[in-house]
Parts: sequence; C-alpha cells; structure tokens
Amino acid sequence: DTGVSQNPRHKITKRGQNVTFRCDPISEHNRLYWYRQTLGQGPEFLTYFQNEAQLEKSRLLSDRFSAERPKGSFSTLEIQRTEQGDSAMYLCASSPGGLAGETETQYFGPGTRLLVL
Amino acid sequence: GENVEQHPSTLSVQEGDSAVIKCTYSDSASNYFPWYKQELGKRPQLIIDIRSNVGEKKDQRIAVTLNKTAKHFSLHITETQPEDSAVYFCAASIRDDKIIFGKGTRLHILP
Repeated sequence: DTGVSQNPRHKITKRGQNVTFRCDPISEHNRLYWYRQTLGQGPEFLTYFQNEAQLEKSRLLSDRFSAERPKGSFSTLEIQRTEQGDSAMYLCASSPGGLAGETETQYFGPGTRLLVL
Repeated sequence: GENVEQHPSTLSVQEGDSAVIKCTYSDSASNYFPWYKQELGKRPQLIIDIRSNVGEKKDQRIAVTLNKTAKHFSLHITETQPEDSAVYFCAASIRDDKIIFGKGTRLHILP
C-alpha cells in the first residue's frame, strides 16, 4: 500500500498520560498535515509541514501538543498530559508540495482513534 | 479566518434520484474547493475538486458548481446508488496550507 499510513490505529489511555502517533506520508510528498476529527464533525486543521519545517499551527494546538517531522519524511504528533477532551480521530494527510502557493490534493491516512479515559 | 457552512446535515434520497449538497464560504480569497466522501470508520477520500477559475466541473455522475460572487458551491450526484451512502464534506482553501471543512452531510440512499 503506497498511501498515507498511520500508527497506531487505535489508542486507549488514561487521563494524564502522554501519547505519540506516527504518520508516514506518500513517498516524496513534501507537505504533511495533521487534522483532528470529532464525532459528527469535519476534520479540523492542527498543523502543517513543508518538508521538515512546521509552517503553521492552529490555536487548537495547545502547548500540550507537539508535532515533528525531523527528516522531512514521517511525522509524529505527541499529546502530553492527555485530557478527556482530547478523545478524537487524529488524521494525517499529505500532498506533493510541488506547486508553490497553490493548494494541491490532500490524501488522508486512516487515522488514529484516541480514547482518553 | 475562513468559515465553511454546509447544508443539509442529513439527506435521504430514493435510489436513482439526484442529491444536492450546498456549501458557503466566508473568505473571498479562497481559491480551491475539494469535496471528500467518508464512509463509516474510513478515511476521507477526495471525490472531486474545483478551483476558483472554473465555474463547473463534472466527473461521471458527480458535478460541482461554484459561484464566486455569492461565495457558494454545490455538489450534485445524479442517478444515486446504494454505495453513494456516506458522509460528504465540502471544504475551502486559500493557499497551500490548511483546508477548512464543513460539518458534513450524511447521505442516505433509500432502496
């Protein structure tokens, strides 16, 4: 499968614990995005990378959230001191990133479903 | 910032009939409008998109129209089939970063 992959697919944790999710984009895609989706809602933008540079962060991304893309390939999203309100589907997407200043199709991964007890 | 409103939230149509989903956006600088289909428990998948320099685009049974003056765009599905049942999201983007999604329309195709 050459699409976007995410691990783990499901995560159950206790309030206050730290969790880390991984996203592997489509090979050679320069742009990588993280979104959060709660039940009955559309995906909400969290943050975005162009290669290894994190270019934008939503105000939804509190200081408990951190994302990295150290080598410009895979990315990790860490949530520290999880809260019940963090329960959601965390989606990763990637796009080629070859057209400067123009939005390209974003291809989504299957998501990581987080449940904070 | 950009805001995308989507209607209706739920839509039921008889198999073979047409379905129309409407969206409005707030930022006139938006120039890219994708539509995603999401089946239960699965990832959002792009079904069609349109850019602001085009008024209409069609792909088999699916068409999208864009009215830049009114800042609204619509998805039209003709000859609906059971496999069209899903949640559909409209979205808008200003530049090469985030996409802002609507809240989704749950489409039911009735036998």
